[in-house]
Amino acid sequence: EIVLTQSPATLSLSPGERATLSCRASQSVSSYLAWYQQKPGQAPRLLIYDASNRATGIPARFSGSGSGTDFTLTISSLEPEDFAVYYCQQRSNWPPGYTFGQGTKLEIK
Amino acid sequence: QVTLRESGPALVKPTQTLTLTCTFSGFSLSTSGMCVSWVRQPPGKALEWLALIDWDDDKYYSTSLKTRLTISKDTSKNQVVLTMTNMDPVDTATYYCARIRRSRDGGYYFDYWGQGTLVTVSS
Repeated sequence: EIVLTQSPATLSLSPGERATLSCRASQSVSSYLAWYQQKPGQAPRLLIYDASNRATGIPARFSGSGSGTDFTLTISSLEPEDFAVYYCQQRSNWPPGYTFGQGTKLEIK
Repeated sequence: QVTLRESGPALVKPTQTLTLTCTFSGFSLSTSGMCVSWVRQPPGKALEWLALIDWDDDKYYSTSLKTRLTISKDTSKNQVVLTMTNMDPVDTATYYCARIRRSRDGGYYFDYWGQGTLVTVSS
């Protein structure tokens, strides 16, 4: 089973700063990786799919990169509404299933 | 407009069976490529995938929970039902249903989610 490890666990930044979040897979997932944002009391929201494609309605300040085992979510200039928890996710062919990382909490410094 | 909504009991006792229903609109689960999945999240913890069912009635389960889970669909009602047997306090979580979308490049992602339903397991 593929394990996704996210770092850091918590990232403290100020509005306007650049955020860089990491997700590492225990084996190659090619480019089949997604990023989600979750705010308190809300369901996750798909931000990035296939490692680098923004989902519908996602602002351009969000970008994803990487392939194989190392992936990055970058928020170019933090807005107040960006402070949330971010998860990465991949799908395994065998055994068939989905896994999420343990999350990175992006908090206001 | 795609929407999903979870329904079920807020409280179950240990050893009981949990039954959750996901009622959706804006798409059909009989359309080729469509899937609906269940994901849970214990309070303050990460997301955990549980099960999915696809348009062809294929079913897949979390390896660690598959002996306790059953997923089914009623296409005419636009509903997906998840049952989980032998509930334990560690199963206390918010349970989400979500649609899975296949991207052009072949990846599978959760593109629409319900608001979730909190299930507490306690005697």
